[in-house]
Amino acid sequence: GNSVTQMEGPVTLSEEAFLTINCTYTATGYPSLFWYVQYPGEGLQLLLKATKADDKGSNKGFEATYRKETTSFHLEKGSVQVSDSAVYFCALRDDYKLSFGAGTTVTVRA
Amino acid sequence: DGGITQSPKYLFRKEGQNVTLSCEQNLNHDAMYWYRQDPGQGLRLIYYSQIVNDFQKGDIAEGYSVSREKKESFPLTVTSAQKNPTAFYLCASRVRLGFQRNSPLHFGNGTRLTVT
Repeated sequence: GNSVTQMEGPVTLSEEAFLTINCTYTATGYPSLFWYVQYPGEGLQLLLKATKADDKGSNKGFEATYRKETTSFHLEKGSVQVSDSAVYFCALRDDYKLSFGAGTTVTVRA
Repeated sequence: DGGITQSPKYLFRKEGQNVTLSCEQNLNHDAMYWYRQDPGQGLRLIYYSQIVNDFQKGDIAEGYSVSREKKESFPLTVTSAQKNPTAFYLCASRVRLGFQRNSPLHFGNGTRLTVT
């Protein structure tokens, strides 16, 4: 079945550091890929998405490129802020179902 | 503003009692979902509904029940048969598959259920 594996956390960074969260997937067909972010005490919000190979999703300084050859969708941000502290989830959708990774907790210190 | 409302935010119950979690959306979305979130396990799908009066089991439906009598509402009942009910429950919705294939899920802010 479809599955998503993402880098285990927690990740702790200083402000303005570079962030990478690795995400790889297993799927039949050609799934759409997503990154969601969850701030403390809230539900998930869509951060970015990519629907086909080589697509790059971007939002709020975050980027991720859909790499079919490596089945990856790594999330990157060049300079993080304290407000980026959250849990980040990689997800894939094939047909009706969305499969999530376990989540990576990121803490950014001032 | 359109959105998904889950209530209450925190819920406490004694073991052996059924409890119903509310989820209401005014986004005019056809499809609705219930996920359970546990530390280190990500989100797991409990039930989903693509249209009124129809719903399907997700990956971990045992011990849960749902109804979809109205488009706006998708309540989840956690029954006494659910062996480990304490968790964070998230409701989500999206435009129905086939109309916008890559439309994202919209999530509520969740209900934290504690059963003792």
